[in-house]
Amino acid sequence: GNSVTQMEGPVTLSEEAFLTINCTYTATGYPSLFWYVQYPGEGLQLLLKATKADDKGSNKGFEATYRKETTSFHLEKGSVQVSDSAVYFCALSDNTGGFKTIFGAGTRLFVKA
Amino acid sequence: GAGVSQSPSNKVTEKGKDVELRCDPISGHTALYWYRQRLGQGLEFLIYFQGNSAPDKSGLPSDRFSAERTGESVSTLTIQRTQQEDSAVYLCASSLYLQGANEQYFGPGTRLTVT
Repeated sequence: GNSVTQMEGPVTLSEEAFLTINCTYTATGYPSLFWYVQYPGEGLQLLLKATKADDKGSNKGFEATYRKETTSFHLEKGSVQVSDSAVYFCALSDNTGGFKTIFGAGTRLFVKA
Repeated sequence: GAGVSQSPSNKVTEKGKDVELRCDPISGHTALYWYRQRLGQGLEFLIYFQGNSAPDKSGLPSDRFSAERTGESVSTLTIQRTQQEDSAVYLCASSLYLQGANEQYFGPGTRLTVT
């Protein structure tokens, strides 16, 4: 079945450091891939998405590229801020899989000033 | 505009009691989803609705769990004879269409504690 694996946290960085959160997936079809973010005390919200191979999703300085050859969708940001501290979830949704959305376990990011 | 709302925000119940959790999706969203998030873990998919139809109930953890939806509106998730392992945050989300690429909008969740 479909699955998502993302790097374990927590990840602790200093402000302006480079961020990478790894995400790999297993899917039988051609899934859409997402990164959702959960800021402290808030609900999950979509950060970015990509719907086909080689697409790059981007938002708020974050980027992720849909790599079908490596089944990956790693999240990157060139210079993190304290306000980026949150839990990040990688997810996939496959129309052929009954519309279930599969989420990774989440990676908590702490950014220090 | 109004987002997805859930009630109650917190529920403490005794083991063996029944609980009902409510989700109000964004108006006009045809698809609705329920998830469970245990402490420190990812989201566990429970069930989705297209309109008021739930084609796949295989994600529900046991027959103590059931869900229904009225038209393209409110949904309720009912847990009968609650157990301590049911303690979690229950999240509801809605999307415009039931389509893989569609963004899901999440509610704030209901934190359920079974004592």
